[in-house]
Amino acid sequence: DAGITQSPRYKITETGRQVTLMCHQTWSHSYMFWYRQDLGHGLRLIYYSAAADITDKGEVPDGYVVSRSKTENFPLTLESATRSQTSVYFCASSETSGISGANVLTFGAGSRLTVL
Amino acid sequence: GIQVEQSPPDLILQEGANSTLRCNFSDSVNNLQWFHQNPWGQLINLFYIPSGTKQNGRLSATTVATERYSLLYISSSQTTDSGVYFCAVGSPETSGSRLTFGEGTQLTVNP
Repeated sequence: DAGITQSPRYKITETGRQVTLMCHQTWSHSYMFWYRQDLGHGLRLIYYSAAADITDKGEVPDGYVVSRSKTENFPLTLESATRSQTSVYFCASSETSGISGANVLTFGAGSRLTVL
Repeated sequence: GIQVEQSPPDLILQEGANSTLRCNFSDSVNNLQWFHQNPWGQLINLFYIPSGTKQNGRLSATTVATERYSLLYISSSQTTDSGVYFCAVGSPETSGSRLTFGEGTQLTVNP
């Protein structure tokens, strides 16, 4: 299917467990992003990637690890989950940087993670 | 980093009414987008509008970059317009690719 897909859509885990959220896009977009959404905070950027093998921290990167070995995939790993990481996680992609062209952000459907 | 403030935080309308949502930002931007999050959580891009005015059906948006604000207009609102509206901005310092989101305006349209 064309577009941007996230998996799993729902995940319940326990404190201390490792969790990986997957993100796959079919457009060959250069940029990919991970945001988390919490009540009272809107969406906050965790990590982003400008291209394969290029990643950078966002606003709230602590406790998360990303990789991007292929343009189409951008997994997010919580190495040792904590209750404060209970959230809805959104993956997004865009085609170009904001310097020129339309950097329109397209979101996946989200992954709801609960850490007990 | 750049700060984004949206107002009002909550808005309740009757179907058919018009509304204006505001987004203020603290620094120069080269990227500004409006999003709608529906009640099922899906985020949809409405406008890419770092400056100027755009219209799409009943929705229009205006950004006055020199005065650091953007407005989203919704005319003849419908119940399907309910949800949260987010403004997100990117600054030249980060090539505009990193978007910072406001906390959103929760819109409820009653039949």
